[in-house]
Amino acid sequence: SQQGEEDPQALSIQEGENATMNCSYKTSINNLQWYRQNSGRGLVHLILIRSNEREKHSGRLRVTLDTSKKSSSLLITASRAADTASYFCATDAGTALIFGKGTTLSVSS
Amino acid sequence: NAGVMQNPRHLVRRRGQEARLRCSPMKGHSHVYWYRQLPEEGLKFMVYLQKENIIDESGMPKERFSAEFPKEGPSILRIQQVVRGDSAAYFCASSPNPPGTGELFFGEGSRLTVL
Repeated sequence: SQQGEEDPQALSIQEGENATMNCSYKTSINNLQWYRQNSGRGLVHLILIRSNEREKHSGRLRVTLDTSKKSSSLLITASRAADTASYFCATDAGTALIFGKGTTLSVSS
Repeated sequence: NAGVMQNPRHLVRRRGQEARLRCSPMKGHSHVYWYRQLPEEGLKFMVYLQKENIIDESGMPKERFSAEFPKEGPSILRIQQVVRGDSAAYFCASSPNPPGTGELFFGEGSRLTVL
């Protein structure tokens, strides 16, 4: 089934650095979403980018979408320790969002 | 507007018992989804319901699992005769809009441990 796959699986950076996570998917989409999950908590929606959009910004987040390569990237600028979490991309597949396995981001101060 | 409420947050069952997980969607949300998450894994779609109807249950195991979303009350995910492999976090999400049109709002999850 259609699924987003994030890369890298894990990322460790220092506070103030930028973090980039990538997502690849298999079939055509209407939109692609990014979610964040803190340890032991539910998922929180970060940003949605539609298939006809190439880039979107929200605060310190920048998302790009390349439908020809079936890939997306999430950039978090000037990271903070509070950004430590798992990040998932999700693609729509008919009636459900399909999630990848996520990138675990650790930001140390 | 309260968020998606799931209970219990933690549930321990012995093999062969039944587990019932409840989800109250956000007010005004008629679309409910259930997902399962194993440790260090992403979320796996299980079922999509709209009030009183199961729309897509393609991710549900064929046996022992069932879901409902009655006209009144919360959505229920029911697991009969639980086995150790059912141990996981189960997340409910809701949306006011049909699939493919917007974000999902997630609850904090119910963590099932089968002894």
